[in-house]
Amino acid sequence: GEDVEQSLFLSVREGDSSVINCTYTDSSSTYLYWYKQEPGAGLQLLTYIFSNMDMKQDQRLTVLLNKKDKHLSLRIADTQTGDSAIYFCAESIGGSYIPTFGRGTSLIVHP
Amino acid sequence: KAGVTQTPRYLIKTRGQQVTLSCSPISGHRSVSWYQQTPGQGLQFLFEYFSETQRNKGNFPGRFSGRQFSNSRSEMNVSTLELGDSALYLCASSLGSAGSSYNEQFFGPGTRLTVL
Repeated sequence: GEDVEQSLFLSVREGDSSVINCTYTDSSSTYLYWYKQEPGAGLQLLTYIFSNMDMKQDQRLTVLLNKKDKHLSLRIADTQTGDSAIYFCAESIGGSYIPTFGRGTSLIVHP
Repeated sequence: KAGVTQTPRYLIKTRGQQVTLSCSPISGHRSVSWYQQTPGQGLQFLFEYFSETQRNKGNFPGRFSGRQFSNSRSEMNVSTLELGDSALYLCASSLGSAGSSYNEQFFGPGTRLTVL
């Protein structure tokens, strides 16, 4: 199986919360990341969490990490149409900072 | 501070040709990584250069090669193009300090390569 797995699509209504989930397989992951990719653009780092943390909040974004289940989630509060994009979960292991990416979750926000 | 730039943004080639893509990192960044993004395989790591040396390499055939210049600018080359090489090629730069496990990567907008 893949190292990092995410569901491919998520559709939400504007103003609702979005929760994008990710599972990873390597328990030695050091950093876990969420990237955003808008159409025609490269990836933008949204946030990251160190593996000894279980939660990180940054304005509308909340990252939850469950190390036991190797599960990472990204919650976007008050989702806006401008949040429509592909969201990538990624992990890096040990001394390597080259992240391994999931396939990406396409978030569609409709009015 | 200018971001990561990639040229060209779009490219159309035919099978068997070769192509060279260019990446200019953020000023002061010494590490440049290359990724291939396709709908079928997602984002796959090609290689990373640091101070003109290849430091990490992904699982791609020898047709894919790269280099880095003394000003940290990097090029990647694909020889004998195949239809399956059609993809978005992304470049990312970071400070790349040795021994540090966190180096934020800043991505360029990518080069869209179409092989006919």
